[in-house]
Amino acid sequence: DAKTTQPPSMDCAEGRAANLPCNHSTISGNEYVYWYRQIHSQGPQYIIHGLKNNETNEMASLIITEDRKSSTLILPHATLRDTAVYYCIVRVNYGGSQGNLIFGKGTKLSVKP
Amino acid sequence: GAVVSQHPSRVICKSGTSVKIECRSLDFQATTMFWYRQFPKQSLMLMATSNEGSKATYEQGVEKDKFLINHASLTLSTLTVTSAHPEDSSFYICSAVWAAGNHEQFFGPGTRLTVL
Repeated sequence: DAKTTQPPSMDCAEGRAANLPCNHSTISGNEYVYWYRQIHSQGPQYIIHGLKNNETNEMASLIITEDRKSSTLILPHATLRDTAVYYCIVRVNYGGSQGNLIFGKGTKLSVKP
Repeated sequence: GAVVSQHPSRVICKSGTSVKIECRSLDFQATTMFWYRQFPKQSLMLMATSNEGSKATYEQGVEKDKFLINHASLTLSTLTVTSAHPEDSSFYICSAVWAAGNHEQFFGPGTRLTVL
């Protein structure tokens, strides 16, 4: 699975959009971009994933560049409860025993009042 | 939907004892579950892959005789830390793969193990 690079930390004002970047320059054509987050002392929570097209759900939007070498997770209106470590992971969408996720260090997002 | 539970949420035990942690998929069947370990201020590290009805696959450096994994049903996997030592103190997290759905992984809330 391709490696990702994320900034170690970011701050965001409450109510503003949080834009979390991720570089994955060695991504393969069949690898998806996944985003998870982990609030302190809890298990990771799935946020969103995509292959080529931009994706949006009730939690966030995922913007993937045309060359797929980087992506941005957007939380449109960050709240204090969005303070967490955000992980960007790329992997082939296997499922089953080949579906394990490899976690990097992630970005610690701090939403401030 | 797609809820994964873990029990217990936290456990404190004496050195040398064994501790069993349960991971359950509450509303879906999971032929594959994963066990991760997370030390303070570090990321999650995969320990082993648990397959229903067969032996677990362990990552390099993880002792299979120390971390016993049983996946007896499509909704339950257990991790037993045998002869626990203080260095085994960690946050243990399981995840289950929703095979009948979109192959997404759903994580449990984690179990905080403290070995005295």
